Amino acid sequence: AQSVTQLGSHVSVSEGALVLLRCNYSSSVPPYLFWYVQYPNQGLQLLLKYTSAATLVKGINGFEAEFKKSETSFHLTKPSAHMSDAAEYFCAVSDGKGTYKYIFGTGTRLKVLA
Amino acid sequence: DTGVSQDPRHKITKRGQNVTFRCDPISEHNRLYWYRQTLGQGPEFLTYFQNEAQLEKSRLLSDRFSAERPKGSFSTLEIQRTEQGDSAMYLCASSLRQGGLYEQYFGPGTRLTVT
Repeated sequence: AQSVTQLGSHVSVSEGALVLLRCNYSSSVPPYLFWYVQYPNQGLQLLLKYTSAATLVKGINGFEAEFKKSETSFHLTKPSAHMSDAAEYFCAVSDGKGTYKYIFGTGTRLKVLA
Repeated sequence: DTGVSQDPRHKITKRGQNVTFRCDPISEHNRLYWYRQTLGQGPEFLTYFQNEAQLEKSRLLSDRFSAERPKGSFSTLEIQRTEQGDSAMYLCASSLRQGGLYEQYFGPGTRLTVT
């Protein structure tokens, strides 16, 4: 069965500092991986996705993530945090077959300090 | 492409009442998914449709829950005899197969509060 683990339910960074949000996955087949951002009382906005092409994936708003098969990781990074990045971030995996349903992690709430 | 829409955005109901939510997918998308997100958790899969056929239901979907997608367009999710544990955000997503993947596009969600 597939699963996603997000280490750190809360992460605080200073404005301008590096953002690193961790995601490890478990999948018996090559996975499709996603990062979403959710602002309060809103739906999910796709930041980026990995679909077995380039292992370094660039997304919107300056975010990027690197797929590391040996570490079963797909960590999200941004070189310089902005106040507007404060939100909840979810990592998700899809098995790419059958239902193609997404399995989400429990989320990481990012706080950006002025 | 107007995106996925959901109605209502917020619903407050008393325990024991029935509620119904609607999801309008992106027009050409043949798959539609429902997820539930409780406070402090990630979304969890409830069920999905391919066209009008409901192909899988999670064990989270108790007998009080029913979903339909008549004519393969909009979908409704009904909860009968609501309980306080049903309080959550209900998210809908639609998708179309592209490049080997059914990438899902999410709506804004319906937040249900059961008092």
